[in-house]
Amino acid sequence: EPEVTQTPSHQVTQMGQEVILRCVPISNHLYFYWYRQILGQKVEFLVSFYNNEISEKSEIFDDQFSVERPDGSNFTLKIRSTKLEDSAMYFCASERTGGNQPQHFGDGTRLSIL
Amino acid sequence: QKEVEQNSGPLSVPEGAIASLNCTYSDRGSQSFFWYRQYSGKSPELIMFIYSNGDKEDGRFTAQLNKASQYVSLLIRDSQPSDSATYLCAVKASGGSYIPTFGRGTSLIVHP
Repeated sequence: EPEVTQTPSHQVTQMGQEVILRCVPISNHLYFYWYRQILGQKVEFLVSFYNNEISEKSEIFDDQFSVERPDGSNFTLKIRSTKLEDSAMYFCASERTGGNQPQHFGDGTRLSIL
Repeated sequence: QKEVEQNSGPLSVPEGAIASLNCTYSDRGSQSFFWYRQYSGKSPELIMFIYSNGDKEDGRFTAQLNKASQYVSLLIRDSQPSDSATYLCAVKASGGSYIPTFGRGTSLIVHP
């Protein structure tokens, strides 16, 4: 069964550095998402992406964050000037057609800011 | 503000019993409902989705939806220790936003 793949599985970075989290969505999916889950808390929506542009973003997704689809397969989340509170699991998800369709999650990247 | 509420638990059931997990939502315009299982330190894994009032069965899992009362539930029959996880309810509204709202999840413990 097709899967959403994310790399790296764990990223350790010094505070103030930039990180890029990578995702390869399921190949025939058209909608892509990034979520964050701080330890012990709920899954929080960051941003959605469709047709090569951001379709929605949450108030968490401020100027520190950006997303890009640099080629036909990869979908990246860049976090600039990382802060301690950015430490979390970051999940990429994709969805075939939007609307009522379910989202399929990757295994996540555990981001640890020191 | 769209809210999805779940009892955080833990819900503890013996092996072989039926586990019943509940979720209520605030947006009456919600149209699609999803249950995810999340093991500790892992990503959410889709178990079931339901769109219409009533029951939907898939193996040992049954999702139940009551839009009038704004609740959705997940029943797990013949619970196994491997079912021990956190179960997340996610709800999508109609029209416009395709972004699901997630509940905090219910922790389920199935003891032998």
